[in-house]
Amino acid sequence: EVLLLESGGGLVQPGGSLRLSCAASGFTFSSYAMSWVRQAPGKGLEWVSAITTSGDITFYADSVKGRFTISRDNSKDTLYLQMNSLRAEDTAVYYCRGYTSTRDYWGQGTLVTVSS
Amino acid sequence: EIVLTQSPATLSLSPGERATLSCRASQSVSSHLAWYQQKPGQAPRLLIYDASDRATGIPARFSGSGSGTDFTLTISSLEPEDFAVYYCQQRSNWPKTFGQGTKVEMK
Repeated sequence: EVLLLESGGGLVQPGGSLRLSCAASGFTFSSYAMSWVRQAPGKGLEWVSAITTSGDITFYADSVKGRFTISRDNSKDTLYLQMNSLRAEDTAVYYCRGYTSTRDYWGQGTLVTVSS
Repeated sequence: EIVLTQSPATLSLSPGERATLSCRASQSVSSHLAWYQQKPGQAPRLLIYDASDRATGIPARFSGSGSGTDFTLTISSLEPEDFAVYYCQQRSNWPKTFGQGTKVEMK
């Protein structure tokens, strides 16, 4: 069974930092590109960041560029998102996603709330 | 950045009816477009990739068409479990943007 389990969400003050993790199982993690997608409360989906299978190339939405860093550890089957300088508008459920051209797996998400 | 515009915002239909959802891109994405279904409290689920290919396990009542800038998701006969929000996503250019969603609600 494919499983993507996010962790690390929670309440943080504006300007603070959080590190999200996504532990993968049930598929060959190192063969899948990975990404983070977020959804603000009551809103639509927003693509945040992606990383290639080897981790050598990363991509970011303009809204998070320079503040968020995506990384992966293929020896641990784990994806990360380091989030710095957090803003109220970063409040959302953050989903971890693993994908190829034909397959697509999502975690259940972790809630990040940025508030004082 | 490629902007995807979905229409209508809400579609009110009854079970057994046909649903037609539209997604228009601000520039050509060739056939690099996917459709997702999301139910309340759940993660999105891939329905269609490459504009018209059904993902594994997706019923045949779901079909996708289009290329370039205009795409359509059709649900031939709505089942009760199909009432949800549907998103398109372009996979052509970075960032891989999503449309704002179409809610299919029960009439």
